[in-house]
Amino acid sequence: EADIYQTPRYLVIGTGKKITLECSQTMGHDKMYWYQQDPGMELHLIHYSYGVNSTEKGDLSSESTVSRIRTEHFPLTLESARPSHTSQYLCASGRDSTDTQYFGPGTRLTVL
Amino acid sequence: AQSVSQHNHHVILSEAASLELGCNYSYGGTVNLFWYVQYPGQHLQLLLKYFSGDPLVKGIKGFEAEFIKSKFSFNLRKPSVQWSDTAEYFCAVNAPSTDSWGKLQFGAGTQVVVTP
Repeated sequence: EADIYQTPRYLVIGTGKKITLECSQTMGHDKMYWYQQDPGMELHLIHYSYGVNSTEKGDLSSESTVSRIRTEHFPLTLESARPSHTSQYLCASGRDSTDTQYFGPGTRLTVL
Repeated sequence: AQSVSQHNHHVILSEAASLELGCNYSYGGTVNLFWYVQYPGQHLQLLLKYFSGDPLVKGIKGFEAEFIKSKFSFNLRKPSVQWSDTAEYFCAVNAPSTDSWGKLQFGAGTQVVVTP
């Protein structure tokens, strides 16, 4: 069982709200990742980090932002949520680039 | 562009039937290959992985996969499925020779339903 946590698990909010999706891991992994997954579709990488104070955008363009102030914490923020942001967001971490990635349970976001 | 293709989006089979899920990738060079599984209501979790060595890899719960380099394939197999194998299965690839950050490219997933 991987020690990676995401909160909230489910979130329903109105358009224009600012939200932060939390992700924490207790494995001391340097690499952390955020993926976006729509039903029946593949996971798309939207952000990643290779350590404290490093963040990069992934392959799928996203209006969200991330920060990595502590090794264990990698929150994702949407400044102004829109219905097009409705999706499932999965956080993952790994020891290095060749290591298995361990996934959190995901946050299912619905923007009305 | 680099991509991962899974041949079937949905598979329905009976208990004790054999399962094979196809996965092809389009990367050149060295690759690391993974199969992840997501059981209903649970985390995405690793089923098995291939980095190097014996191309026949055994994973958890009786699953195995074979890496065939010449075919750019990494197909997943299980000789006899159980109802508890109902899940979504994702093939994923990363290419450490071209990407040092370990970014995974996922296939679209295959939903497997095993009927009693």
